[in-house]
Amino acid sequence: NAGVTQTPKFRVLKTGQSMTLLCAQDMNHEYMYWYRQDPGMGLRLIHYSVGEGTTAKGEVPDGYNVSRLKKQNFLLGLESAAPSQTSVYFCASSYAGTKEFLYGYTFGSGTRLTVV
Amino acid sequence: RKEVEQDPGPFNVPEGATVAFNCTYSNSASQSFFWYRQDCRKEPKLLMSVYSSGNEDGRFTAQLNRASQYISLLIRDSKLSDSATYLCVVNMYSGGGADGLTFGKGTHLIIQP
Repeated sequence: NAGVTQTPKFRVLKTGQSMTLLCAQDMNHEYMYWYRQDPGMGLRLIHYSVGEGTTAKGEVPDGYNVSRLKKQNFLLGLESAAPSQTSVYFCASSYAGTKEFLYGYTFGSGTRLTVV
Repeated sequence: RKEVEQDPGPFNVPEGATVAFNCTYSNSASQSFFWYRQDCRKEPKLLMSVYSSGNEDGRFTAQLNRASQYISLLIRDSKLSDSATYLCVVNMYSGGGADGLTFGKGTHLIIQP
């Protein structure tokens, strides 16, 4: 049981390049999330999905796009990378909850992205 | 504004001691509360959920105080392996769309031999 798998684990991009981060979960979770973590800023939500074919913006969505074509996969795209997007990116998933009650998340091991 | 506030520390504690830290949250309607642990350069991992009646898991005890809007984590007989950052996590539901859990910035704990 792999849980939540993120690829790649490390990447260095030049400013203006594009890339896609892949998150895959094998726990049949409905909800999936993308976070970024920067020193002193904590975890900040980029985009999330409450089911296959649905996505929504989080706290810091600018410069990112996402897709959830299959329930088990959640892709995060950077169309034109900027140095400000240098960060550690975490994907997470959970069982479906309600607006009032949410289950705890399972996180992937992260992707360390550097934009130069 | 949705807020989950924690003392960043670091808390320097001798091995075997008891340590406690709190977290305050701004939304009185919140219903989901968790403590996560994050080791350096690793992903956050769920330590325990926090229930209204309080709950215990081995050396760890979590408490919820709805009236004062804070949750606490108590670690007894601390071990060197308890050194980590502890994240307070709350569902800051405000009646709008469900946009997930809000994570505090974490409290850094260092257990010293």
